[in-house]
Amino acid sequence: ETGVTQSPTHLIKTRGQQVTLRCSSQSGHNTVSWYQQALGQGPQFIFQYYREEENGRGNFPPRFSGLQFPNYSSELNVNALELDDSALYLCASSPKTPGGTEAFFGQGTRLTVV
Amino acid sequence: DQQVKQNSPSLSVQEGRISILNCDYTNSMFDYFLWYKKYPAEGPTFLISISSIKDKNEDGRFTVFLNKSAKHLSLHIVPSQPGDSAVYFCAAIPPNTGNQFYFGTGTSLTVIP
Repeated sequence: ETGVTQSPTHLIKTRGQQVTLRCSSQSGHNTVSWYQQALGQGPQFIFQYYREEENGRGNFPPRFSGLQFPNYSSELNVNALELDDSALYLCASSPKTPGGTEAFFGQGTRLTVV
Repeated sequence: DQQVKQNSPSLSVQEGRISILNCDYTNSMFDYFLWYKKYPAEGPTFLISISSIKDKNEDGRFTVFLNKSAKHLSLHIVPSQPGDSAVYFCAAIPPNTGNQFYFGTGTSLTVIP
């Protein structure tokens, strides 16, 4: 059983550029969520994908967008990067269940915007 | 607004003693709560969870207590070990939202040998 993997692990971008982060979900999991963790803060929910459809979104602007593929892997795209987008971006996968359940996180992508 | 709060940024405990980490929440609709542990350069790893229909859940050295009337949960680690040194996040899930977690800001636990 493979865990959640994210790529790249580190990334430096210039303000105004666009970035794509990737996540492979854990085997058997059809739900992927993305979180942004700024320095000294807890992870903040960006959005969630279930069976290739967006299934909930946090308080993030439309320049944050995503995709989920038929194999349940996912991408997070951020356009027009701002300095405040510098953060650790975490992907989490889980089986879709009616109630709550634990999610499994990847190691994260550290994005630095300069 | 921060719906899940961890008011202690850090905690130091002697090895072998009890560690108590606290978490408060404001949304009474939350129906599932979890604790995650995070080491530097790693993603959060699941530790223990509790449903809102329970007030206690135990797993080995880890016990989570939930006080719904006070909107408060706590994680007890007994006995604490140096390997427990990490940042601990509590998280809460509203009903019918899949796994859309609301996280606290974390408590950095240091267990002193």
